[in-house]
Amino acid sequence: NAGVTQTPKFQVLKTGQSMTLQCAQDMNHEYMSWYRQDPGMGLRLIHYSVGAGITDQGEVPNGYNVSRSTTEDFPLRLLSAAPSQTSVYFCASRAPGQENTEAFFGQGTRLTVV
Amino acid sequence: AQSVTQLGSHVSVSEGALVLLRCNYSSSVPPYLFWYVQYPNQGLQLLLKYTSAATLVKGINGFEAEFKKSETSFHLTKPSAHMSDAAEYFCAVSGYSSASKIIFGSGTRLSIRP
Repeated sequence: NAGVTQTPKFQVLKTGQSMTLQCAQDMNHEYMSWYRQDPGMGLRLIHYSVGAGITDQGEVPNGYNVSRSTTEDFPLRLLSAAPSQTSVYFCASRAPGQENTEAFFGQGTRLTVV
Repeated sequence: AQSVTQLGSHVSVSEGALVLLRCNYSSSVPPYLFWYVQYPNQGLQLLLKYTSAATLVKGINGFEAEFKKSETSFHLTKPSAHMSDAAEYFCAVSGYSSASKIIFGSGTRLSIRP
């Protein structure tokens, strides 16, 4: 059982480049989220989705786009990378309908923007 | 907006000593609360969660947390620290602004002295 799979694990971008961070889950979870982790700031929510075709903004959405065309996939797009987007990115999924269900996390993508 | 506050970005204890990691939540309605652990270069995994069934919650690896409504707290404890407990610990909350979102605290890094 793969769980939540993120690709790539590491990426270096130049300022202004665009890229897509991939996230896929095989648990049929409706809820999926993207977080960024920065030292001393914990995990901050970028975007989230409650099902295919439905997305919403989190705490720090600027500079990122998402779409959810299938239940399994939730890609995160950086439109024009900036050094401030250097971070570790985590994708998570949860079973639907219950506030107390746990989130399952991918292994993360470490992104450096130079 | 819902939030959790973790007191102390870094806690250091001796092996065999009590571990106490503090978390306070802000809500007039008891939320759903979680503790997650992150080992170096890994994603997050669930330690335990509060679901209103019991105020004292037992988790994996000997950790437990007690929900105290009067103090709006959900502190994490372990009676005897082990070297393998060295990691970053996150308190998180969901439920009362949007069931699909989990909001994380800033994290506490736990170090264990031999």
